[in-house]
Amino acid sequence: NAGVTQTPKFQVLKTGQSMTLQCAQDMNHEYMSWYRQDPGMGLRLIHYSVGAGITDQGEVPNGYNVSRSTTEDFPLRLLSAAPSQTSVYFCASSYSSEEQYFGPGTRLTVT
Amino acid sequence: GIQVEQSPPDLILQEGANSTLRCNFSDSVNNLQWFHQNPWGQLINLFYIPSGTKQNGRLSATTVATERYSLLYISSSQTTDSGVYFCAVIGWDSKLTFGKGITLSVRP
Repeated sequence: NAGVTQTPKFQVLKTGQSMTLQCAQDMNHEYMSWYRQDPGMGLRLIHYSVGAGITDQGEVPNGYNVSRSTTEDFPLRLLSAAPSQTSVYFCASSYSSEEQYFGPGTRLTVT
Repeated sequence: GIQVEQSPPDLILQEGANSTLRCNFSDSVNNLQWFHQNPWGQLINLFYIPSGTKQNGRLSATTVATERYSLLYISSSQTTDSGVYFCAVIGWDSKLTFGKGITLSVRP
């Protein structure tokens, strides 16, 4: 099993550009979620999904869109990047509310 | 939502020393996990421990759910234990909430 994979590992965007961070898991997990990590803040939940076709907002959803068309994939879209979105982004998956497994992260810089 | 507090915020140890890291949470939880974030940024699962005690080598963890705290014990610390240790909980809303982490530095 590859576990949770994320692409790209690094990305630099200019203000106003759009992009999609990819997340995939091969463990047939129902739950998937996106977090951002900023210095001194721990990880904060952006959006999550409890199954294909179902998504909901987390603590810091503004500026991000998600969709879940398959069990395996949960992409995170930035429609118009802002410098405040410079962060490290982690994707995670789990069975229901059980142990969560994290991907390696994507380091995003918005200039 | 649930508040998660970790203490101490920073910890410096000599190699070989033991330590206890604490996690307090403000409400009942369905899930509690401890993670180690290594210097390369990887989040490594240490324990999934909503209650009780577990051990894995030099590390062990205890969660007392009724008193809303969890402890992570590191014995005979090594330089490779350095990094940030996070506690994270899931409450009634099924959302994982992280503490701000404890930065551990183990000196040779």
